[in-house]
Amino acid sequence: GIQVEQSPPDLILQEGANSTLRCNFSDSVNNLQWFHQNPWGQLINLFYIPSGTKQNGRLSATTVATERYSLLYISSSQTTDSGVYFCAASYEYNNNDMRFGAGTRLTVKP
Amino acid sequence: GAGVSQSPRYKVAKRGQDVALRCDPISGHVSLFWYQQALGQGPEFLTYFQNEAQLDKSGLPSDRFFAERPEGSVSTLKIQRTQQEDSAVYLCASSLARLGWDRNTIYFGEGSWLTVV
Repeated sequence: GIQVEQSPPDLILQEGANSTLRCNFSDSVNNLQWFHQNPWGQLINLFYIPSGTKQNGRLSATTVATERYSLLYISSSQTTDSGVYFCAASYEYNNNDMRFGAGTRLTVKP
Repeated sequence: GAGVSQSPRYKVAKRGQDVALRCDPISGHVSLFWYQQALGQGPEFLTYFQNEAQLDKSGLPSDRFFAERPEGSVSTLKIQRTQQEDSAVYLCASSLARLGWDRNTIYFGEGSWLTVV
């Protein structure tokens, strides 16, 4: 199945700093999504982005499908951005089996 | 309800005990997923339902794990004869989409935290 690797595994920022999280995937995908898991365990969908670029407030994401990676940008980080960010991807022919990476744990300090 | 609801939120089971975890998806959502998340790792796919049909159960780790969604709404994940390695958070998710993840937003519940002692 698809292998999904995320980097860095941990990231500590000062409030107001910018950051880039990376997701590499091993094969062609037709579905790629970014999620944020808050300290209470809730997973929130941030972006559906199998290709191209999307922006939502201080967050944006870019996927370059031909080079098998996706980037999540967080600008002007806030303490509420803390948590674990997951990237998940699936093949076109098995759309139900979404594979998650191990996540990037982000800590934003005031 | 407004979101995906899971119960119990926390469960401590003695090794060998059977447990049942419940998921109430968002009303009208066709697709329902179960994931297992071990500490410090990403969620791992267990099984997928489209309405009442279990279309994919390839992720269930052993025959001790069983899931059902008899009326196409509420789902139950049952673990028989629990082992310590079953300790994890069990996440349920639902989507309006008929084709699994597709382009629709997936909504996750807060999870059921299972500890087997």
